[in-house]
Amino acid sequence: GENVEQHPSTLSVQEGDSAVIKCTYSDSASNYFPWYKQELGKGPQLIIDIRSNVGEKKDQRIAVTLNKTAKHFSLHITETQPEDSAVYFCAARKVTGRRALTFGSGTRLQVQP
Amino acid sequence: EADIYQTPRYLVIGTGKKITLECSQTMGHDKMYWYQQDPGMELHLIHYSYGVNSTEKGDLSSESTVSRIRTEHFPLTLESARPSHTSQYLCASTSSDTDTQYFGPGTRLTVL
Repeated sequence: GENVEQHPSTLSVQEGDSAVIKCTYSDSASNYFPWYKQELGKGPQLIIDIRSNVGEKKDQRIAVTLNKTAKHFSLHITETQPEDSAVYFCAARKVTGRRALTFGSGTRLQVQP
Repeated sequence: EADIYQTPRYLVIGTGKKITLECSQTMGHDKMYWYQQDPGMELHLIHYSYGVNSTEKGDLSSESTVSRIRTEHFPLTLESARPSHTSQYLCASTSSDTDTQYFGPGTRLTVL
């Protein structure tokens, strides 16, 4: 089955700095990679995703990069703001079959004002 | 905004009680999932359903059971709750023609 590893487990940055979270996956058949943000007391919310036929995707301050050969993908947040503070999860999934996500272990991001 | 709902949001119950966690979605999604989230954050799949009358166990063994009698409804039942069942339970759904998996707000279960 799929195994997703995520680093770091905690990340503290100053407001305005960039934050980078990295994930690796094991199953070369995985071809969909979403990132979720989970705030306290809430369910995870999708913030950006990427398919395996794309190397990079950007949405305002958030970008995701994918290296299929190395089987790793990263989340980049620029110009961080205090409201970016949350737990971030990467995930991987095959398009066919049960379509359930395999999650990384999460990164707690703290943006210091 | 995801149209997926979970009730109750918080539940504190004694050992041995039977409980049902409710999950419903109004998006017409065929696939639904239950994840268990550790205090240390990690999410693990415990049940999933492809559609009505279809249920399968996930990657993490769980003593809970699920049913899918209606497309929009995917309840999870524990026949006899134990302290080891204390956790956050998250319901999610997706459809065959979309990638996005939507999550409900979760139920935080505490078994005393």
